[in-house]
Parts: sequence; C-alpha cells; structure tokens
Amino acid sequence: DGGITQSPKYLFRKEGQNVTLSCEQNLNHDAMYWYRQDPGQGLRLIYYSQIVNDFQKGDIAEGYSVSREKKESFPLTVTSAQKNPTAFYLCASRAGSFLAKNIQYFGAGTRLSVL
Amino acid sequence: QKEVEQDPGPLSVPEGAIVSLNCTYSNSAFQYFMWYRQYSRKGPELLMYTYSSGNKEDGRFTAQVDKSSKYISLFIRDSQPSDSATYLCAIMTTDSWGKLQFGAGTQVVVTP
Repeated sequence: DGGITQSPKYLFRKEGQNVTLSCEQNLNHDAMYWYRQDPGQGLRLIYYSQIVNDFQKGDIAEGYSVSREKKESFPLTVTSAQKNPTAFYLCASRAGSFLAKNIQYFGAGTRLSVL
Repeated sequence: QKEVEQDPGPLSVPEGAIVSLNCTYSNSAFQYFMWYRQYSRKGPELLMYTYSSGNKEDGRFTAQVDKSSKYISLFIRDSQPSDSATYLCAIMTTDSWGKLQFGAGTQVVVTP
C-alpha cells in the first residue's frame, strides 16, 4: 500500500538530548513537509523540501533540523535547543505543482514528550 | 492577526443534524481551499478540495467558498457519531510552493 510512514508513534526525550523522527513515503512525491501541532493552534510548518538535497525553513524552524538525502525520506531532528518540544509532529508529502496534485497527504504522526 | 481564523469549538450536535463549520482568511491571494478531518491522535485526511467560489458537494459534505468575503464553509448533512473529529481548514496561494496555512481546527462531537 502506498502511503507515508512515521516512526516511532511515541517518543520521549530527556533534557539536553537530540531525537530524530522518521518519515518515509512510497508515493513517489517530490515535496515533503514537517508540521508541529499543539492543542488549539492548528498545524505550524517547521521545514519543507521540494527536491532531494534542498529544504527551506518554515514558520517555526528554530530548534529543529532536517535532511533530504533520498526522495522518499525526510527525517526531522528535534535538538536540545528546542525548549518546548512536547507536541504532535506530522509529516506530509505532495505530488507536484499541478493543480490537481496540489494536495498534501499526511502520516499518522509522532507524539513527542519530555521526560 | 492570524492569516486563517477558525473557531476551535467544541461544537456538539445531535445525530442527524447539519454541522456547519467555517473559516475566515485575510490574504486575498489565497486560491486553493481544503478541509481536512482529523480523528484523535491520527494524521489529517483530506475531505474536500476546491479552488473557486461557489459550492462543491461530495456525498454528505458540501464545501462553500466566498472569495469576496474571504469566507469558507463546510457543511455535513445527516451527521453521524463517526463524524466526531477535528475539522481543519487549509488554504494556499498559487506561488507558495504548496505551503498550507491552517486554521486552528474545530472539534465536532456528534451525540447519538
């Protein structure tokens, strides 16, 4: 089945620790996105990537880092610089720039908590 | 001011009622309008997608866009308990490289 796989489902971070959230897609989509969701605030864009080896900061990139070495993979690292990392993290992908394909599809999410 | 405003609810309705959800936006450059449904602790799934003013219908769901008022709506007819979820509006411009602006999401509870 085609889709977006996020892992792990739940993740716990200790003080001062970096953690990496995985996002893999087998939809052959070009663009990938990372969002953070907090209660009552909707989704906020952290980073996005249109093509391999290229990515741009979103609205709340501070304390996060990403890489895009393969088309199907877009891991997100939550660094120790992110002082309030507890949130639900969502990865999404999009097929391309044509009108009919201007839709983002989401993974099931990773819930990150601080110990 | 947020670019997309959406009442977070919760909105509680009895089974069979019509659910009415809406968002307002400030940027007239927004051209594409989407509604996503998100069940608790799950990722959002696309419900409706439109890029023009007017109505679009899909089964029990109707999306309405009024660009002159910068107002979008989603109506759910004959609501079911399985419709209980958070509904997110999402809006995009033509040159935003696919970046979506999301509303806060409205939590809907349909009671049997």
